[in-house]
Amino acid sequence: AQSVSQHNHHVILSEAASLELGCNYSYGGTVNLFWYVQYPGQHLQLLLKYFSGDPLVKGIKGFEAEFIKSKFSFNLRKPSVQWSDTAEYFCALTTDSWGKLQFGAGTQVVVTP
Amino acid sequence: ETGVTQTPRHLVMGMTNKKSLKCEQHLGHNAMYWYKQSAKKPLELMFVYSLEERVENNSVPSRFSPECPNSSHLFLHLHTLQPEDSALYLCASSQGQRGGRRETQYFGPGTRLLVL
Repeated sequence: AQSVSQHNHHVILSEAASLELGCNYSYGGTVNLFWYVQYPGQHLQLLLKYFSGDPLVKGIKGFEAEFIKSKFSFNLRKPSVQWSDTAEYFCALTTDSWGKLQFGAGTQVVVTP
Repeated sequence: ETGVTQTPRHLVMGMTNKKSLKCEQHLGHNAMYWYKQSAKKPLELMFVYSLEERVENNSVPSRFSPECPNSSHLFLHLHTLQPEDSALYLCASSQGQRGGRRETQYFGPGTRLLVL
């Protein structure tokens, strides 16, 4: 069975710092990868997704992620965070026909002014 | 606003109660999902409906009973729940189809359930 692992449960950083959140998965076949974000009091929303092609994917709000197949990784990055990036970030994948998402445990990111 | 609405937003119920959660999507999608988000646990898929047919029941106890009367509505009927069922229940929809693993899922705001 597939699984998704997020390395950090909590990250605290200052505004303008760079952010990188790790995500690794275990599955031997074709995967589709996602990063979702949940801002305080808001619903889950899609940041970016990778299906195929260019392994460097750009999403909303200046986020990007790189798919490294050999490392089974899909790390999320942002060069300079803002206070409004405070949220919980979830890595997820699908492997089957019905698009069932398997989520990682999430990383709580707090950006201090 | 994602086009997926859920009611109620908060629910407190006793273990002997029967209640229902409602989800409605306004996106023209044909697949709908129930997820459970518990504290300190990853989001867990509960049920998947595609074209109103249940295609996944992820080993969910029978005290949770889903219903999908049409492609826009999804219900989760709750009966004799346990305190450990307290969680945030999220609904999602997508333009799902066989081979549709690429389709983005859009989530509702969730129903925060507390079982006493």
